[in-house]
Amino acid sequence: GQQVMQIPQYQHVQEGEDFTTYCNSSTTLSNIQWYKQRPGGHPVFLIQLVKSGEVKKQKRLTFQFGEAKKNSSLHITATQTTDVGTYFCAGPTEEYGNKLVFGAGTILRVKS
Amino acid sequence: EADIYQTPRYLVIGTGKKITLECSQTMGHDKMYWYQQDPGMELHLIHYSYGVNSTEKGDLSSESTVSRIRTEHFPLTLESARPSHTSQYLCASSLGSSGGAEQFFGPGTRLTVL
Repeated sequence: GQQVMQIPQYQHVQEGEDFTTYCNSSTTLSNIQWYKQRPGGHPVFLIQLVKSGEVKKQKRLTFQFGEAKKNSSLHITATQTTDVGTYFCAGPTEEYGNKLVFGAGTILRVKS
Repeated sequence: EADIYQTPRYLVIGTGKKITLECSQTMGHDKMYWYQQDPGMELHLIHYSYGVNSTEKGDLSSESTVSRIRTEHFPLTLESARPSHTSQYLCASSLGSSGGAEQFFGPGTRLTVL
């Protein structure tokens, strides 16, 4: 079954508002990765977090890895229409031979 | 931009036809993957390979088959396509000693079976 849960499934925000998506694993992850898929496109790697409590920033995007290495979040400050897409988290799980297991994704829509 | 290619990009075929979706990468990655994704939905791993002559079924049962005769090439074949096979098929590759490394995705093949 699904080992990596992601919420919310869908979020529609006004341009300029903030957005956060959360990722939770039932087991400890050696790393957590985030991908973005534009509508009609393919997933593109954004970032990888490895250390407990790690925080990384990419312009308006802030990524966090929880202390227990079981959860993660992606926060976008002041969303823009270019942020539209589906954001997936993914982590290797021992149960699946350390293959990457993807969350179901959060679809972000931005109203201008 | 990652060098991973998929052909065709779009394919519309009739029921019962045999098809092969091509995937090639020029990055020398040992690991390659096939995912199935319906519009707006999650990614389902259907096949993966950790090297030449090594293939495994993924988490989602699929009637397709794969082969890995060369490092750079990982084709997926459907012997007899059905409407239930209509979906997007994404190929990916990765480098690293484990399966948990960053994955590079191809542009995908959108398959429609009538």
